[in-house]
Amino acid sequence: AQTVTQSQPEMSVQEAETVTLSCTYDTSESDYYLFWYKQPPSRQMILVIRQEAYKQQNATENRFSVNFQKAAKSFSLKISDSQLGDAAMYFCAYRIQTGTASKLTFGTGTRLQVTL
Amino acid sequence: DAGVTQSPTHLIKTRGQQVTLRCSPKSGHDTVSWYQQALGQGPQFIFQYYEEEERQRGNFPDRFSGHQFPNYSSELNVNALLLGDSALYLCASSILAGGDQETQYFGPGTRLLVL
Repeated sequence: AQTVTQSQPEMSVQEAETVTLSCTYDTSESDYYLFWYKQPPSRQMILVIRQEAYKQQNATENRFSVNFQKAAKSFSLKISDSQLGDAAMYFCAYRIQTGTASKLTFGTGTRLQVTL
Repeated sequence: DAGVTQSPTHLIKTRGQQVTLRCSPKSGHDTVSWYQQALGQGPQFIFQYYEEEERQRGNFPDRFSGHQFPNYSSELNVNALLLGDSALYLCASSILAGGDQETQYFGPGTRLLVL
């Protein structure tokens, strides 16, 4: 069974600074996708960034980037120039497709606080 | 371009009752997945619908059932509600084309409270 582990229940960062959120996963598959989703107090789960396992290049999306280490099964999220609006729960998720179906397996989340 | 919508936003039921939650996918999407998110936890996969059929199911009892309509919208039904069913229910839509296109986009959720 696939599992996703986020070992940091809470993190704090000062505005304009950089923070890294950790995620590890366990799988025997070779083809899969990894995601980071953000869930602010409004509850809506918002896609932050996506990484294809077959791509060696780390994904970037403006101030967000990942460090994908396939052999170590590690997928961390770096947020640069942190802003107050980045405060939220961040979930790491793994997706595998089987036939015509797929599902996301989520970690337990990391709550990010952004301070002035 | 409307995103994923869910109704209602909040719901209060009592134990033993039945509930129906509704989801309309993002325009152009044909696949709907449902997740249960208990307080302080990550979402847990309930099931996924494509072409009006349940394609994959998570570890949830038969009390949880669903349906997908020809317009791709979906319903989640929960029978014989238990206190433990209190959670945020999230709907996600995607395109079953594989690759990047199958990224799941989430709705705002329905908060269910069972008393």
